Amino acid sequence: AQSVTQLDSHVSVSEGTPVLLRCNYSSSYSPSLFWYVQHPNKGLQLLLKYTSAATLVKGINGFEAEFKKSETSFHLTKPSAHMSDAAEYFCATPSGGGADGLTFGKGTHLIIQP
Amino acid sequence: DGGITQSPKYLFRKEGQNVTLSCEQNLNHDAMYWYRQDPGQGLRLIYYSQIVNDFQKGDIAEGYSVSREKKESFPLTVTSAQKNPTAFYLCASSPLRGASYNEQFFGPGTRLTVL
Repeated sequence: AQSVTQLDSHVSVSEGTPVLLRCNYSSSYSPSLFWYVQHPNKGLQLLLKYTSAATLVKGINGFEAEFKKSETSFHLTKPSAHMSDAAEYFCATPSGGGADGLTFGKGTHLIIQP
Repeated sequence: DGGITQSPKYLFRKEGQNVTLSCEQNLNHDAMYWYRQDPGQGLRLIYYSQIVNDFQKGDIAEGYSVSREKKESFPLTVTSAQKNPTAFYLCASSPLRGASYNEQFFGPGTRLTVL
């Protein structure tokens, strides 16, 4: 079964500095991978997705992620953090074949220091 | 304005009561899902449905039940058999074909608290 591991439960950066949120995946083949963002007491919003078309994926709000098969990683980055980026971020991958739902990482809480 | 609606936003339940959480979508998606979110746990799949009148158990289905009588609606009942129901519940939908295949669209969530 596919799985994802988010390596940091909390990440704190200063406003204007780069953001790096780490996600490793476990799969026997090239999986689909997603990054979602959740603001407090809200639903999840899709930031970006990888579906094997291109290894560097650009998403909304200036975020991007790079699929690295050799490292089984799909880390999320942003060149310059903004206060509005403070939220919970989830990496996810399909649980199995078809539409069986997504398997989520435990989340990374991003804190932006003024 | 297309999307997924969940109601109520907040729900309080006494021990021993069943409660039903509503989820409606107007995105014409075939698949619908229920997830439970607990602090530090990520999201865990409760039930999902790919077609009307059919649904499958997810990883934590015990103490929950669902129905899918209409394509647009996928209500979740939290029964008295669920030992620890206090959590944030998220409903999602997904198309089964096209460019957004496997991409899940989420509702705003319902926070259930057991008193």
